[in-house]
Amino acid sequence: DVKVTQSSRYLVKRTGEKVFLECVQDMDHENMFWYRQDPGLGLRLIYFSYDVKMKEKGDIPEGYSVSREKKERFSLILESASTNQTSMYLCASSRGETYNEQFFGPGTRLTVL
Amino acid sequence: QKEVEQDPGPLSVPEGAIVSLNCTYSNSAFQYFMWYRQYSRKGPELLMYTYSSGNKEDGRFTAQVDKSSKYISLFIRDSQPSDSATYLCAMYFDRGSTLGRLYFGRGTQLTVWP
Repeated sequence: DVKVTQSSRYLVKRTGEKVFLECVQDMDHENMFWYRQDPGLGLRLIYFSYDVKMKEKGDIPEGYSVSREKKERFSLILESASTNQTSMYLCASSRGETYNEQFFGPGTRLTVL
Repeated sequence: QKEVEQDPGPLSVPEGAIVSLNCTYSNSAFQYFMWYRQYSRKGPELLMYTYSSGNKEDGRFTAQVDKSSKYISLFIRDSQPSDSATYLCAMYFDRGSTLGRLYFGRGTQLTVWP
């Protein structure tokens, strides 16, 4: 059974803190994605990676960075968390070099106070 | 203008109704058209996908793509309370040598009441 797991379901952090969101997939997928989801705005792509150590900016990369040292793990880093980064963060993965189904994790609800 | 436009609703229908969900898009390069379903407090799951134009049917669900009008639809027949969820359309085009990415609509929240 396909599985994407995220390190936390709920996270509360303070403004200015460095925040790490972890995502792990067990399907040997090449591609991994980070999205944020906000009411009225839908899913917005932050970063994606199509190979280990490769990354590409999505629509809203400002204030975020990513790390992919191993194929199965993709980390999203908020260098200095701000209140406008309060959101639901969703990780996804897919295989191959063209369109294939993206499998999503359950999401991390991050609140920045 | 967003690449993909989707009315967020909410949409509320009685059980047994036919539901029509729609998206429009601006980029004629899109080749793959998807519908994802997202239940409350869960990640989205792929419901159906279509390559290029035409119809695709899966049980009570029918996906339609009209590339000439840049318009896609999802129809749900005999809707059930278990269909209550947010439905997101998504689209993709091949970039050639590197991986493309999905472009999502904002999602339509559907409630089917008994």
